[in-house]
Amino acid sequence: GAVVSQHPSWVICKSGTSVKIECRSLDFQATTMFWYRQFPKQSLMLMATSNEGSKATYEQGVEKDKFLINHASLTLSTLTVTSAHPEDSSFYICSARGLMGTEQFFGPGTRLTVL
Amino acid sequence: GNSVTQMEGPVTLSEEAFLTINCTYTATGYPSLFWYVQYPGEGLQLLLKATKADDKGSNKGFEATYRKETTSFHLEKGSVQVSDSAVYFCALSVITGRRALTFGSGTRLQVQP
Repeated sequence: GAVVSQHPSWVICKSGTSVKIECRSLDFQATTMFWYRQFPKQSLMLMATSNEGSKATYEQGVEKDKFLINHASLTLSTLTVTSAHPEDSSFYICSARGLMGTEQFFGPGTRLTVL
Repeated sequence: GNSVTQMEGPVTLSEEAFLTINCTYTATGYPSLFWYVQYPGEGLQLLLKATKADDKGSNKGFEATYRKETTSFHLEKGSVQVSDSAVYFCALSVITGRRALTFGSGTRLQVQP
């Protein structure tokens, strides 16, 4: 199957700083990428959907100014958590889908800890 | 709106036992149904899927049948192995729109030798 990578796999930062997480589709062109957040022992919650070259669509309750998403190319989407706070600590997962595909391929996730 | 409800875990079984993880859903429109598996330290992987009523998805000995009349998609395996220990997520996707996935809360399966 198609491979999606995320970088970094884990990050620790101080409160008030910004953190960027990268999501790459390694062997296919991803026209759509999704960003999810997973709390401990809970399900994945969709944060936003991004299409290459256009603005992301955010789910209700997700602050678009806090979680900046950029999908500048067909193989790369980034999520920037701005002015991070301890409550932003979570596991962030991306997935990617190709132009004609129906299946989403998931990255391994990034664990963010904000001190 | 769309939602998925699956049985809470953890589910602890002995090797070669029969596995059932229940999943029910509500959806606007006609959803496709999925089971994803998350092994320790890894990303989610698609285990199986079904796109229309009465379809049976199967993979690696796991099966699930799309039951429209009961809005269910229960996961079954006849004989589990220690290597099946993971977290299993039931999910749905509606064909129209962004086709984003809606996930259940996940069920942790622990298989003991």
